[in-house]
Amino acid sequence: DAGVIQSPRHEVTEMGQEVTLRCKPISGHDYLFWYRQTMMRGLELLIYFNNNVPIDDSGMPEDRFSAKMPNASFSTLKIQPSEPRDSAVYFCASRRSGGNYEQYFGPGTRLTVT
Amino acid sequence: AQTVTQSQPEMSVQEAETVTLSCTYDTSESDYYLFWYKQPPSRQMILVIRQEAYKQQNATENRFSVNFQKAAKSFSLKISDSQLGDAAMYFCASNTGNQFYFGTGTSLTVIP
Repeated sequence: DAGVIQSPRHEVTEMGQEVTLRCKPISGHDYLFWYRQTMMRGLELLIYFNNNVPIDDSGMPEDRFSAKMPNASFSTLKIQPSEPRDSAVYFCASRRSGGNYEQYFGPGTRLTVT
Repeated sequence: AQTVTQSQPEMSVQEAETVTLSCTYDTSESDYYLFWYKQPPSRQMILVIRQEAYKQQNATENRFSVNFQKAAKSFSLKISDSQLGDAAMYFCASNTGNQFYFGTGTSLTVIP
């Protein structure tokens, strides 16, 4: 079974541009999580979905950030407009209901905003 | 909210030796899980080991084992017979429901 897939792996953009990060969770997983990792703040949960519905977006830093999950196999995290302080590695993770709560992480997208 | 503390930013171990990474957490929940994740330079987050809080027996996965002290809220990771491939950042995490709380990580260097 394929793991969590994220694209792109690397993104370099200029300040003010729109950035869209993509994630495909593991088939059959009904929870999807977006995290941001920086040296200063470590790993932070931004938002998570259950059955495509956003459940908790309290970690989304600003209105410039938005996330969607139009179906069970696809989610996007959008930053508009991007700023240099958004530079980080963004992870997507998924898990299935019940069980041991283990989250499976994608390879991450390294975002650099210049 | 839960907090997870890793007090060792960096650790090193000689190849084939044993090393223990420390982690403490703070929670008011009675039902929770604890995890150790490994993040090598490829930055992929890989689950190393998992412990259910209601289980008294310490989890073991091959060369990796934990020392879970529930009363002390301590969850250390022991790596035996360290290998060069064990070099990575190690993150301790606790979870209740869908919230994962991560520590700040310990960077492990394995010396040949």
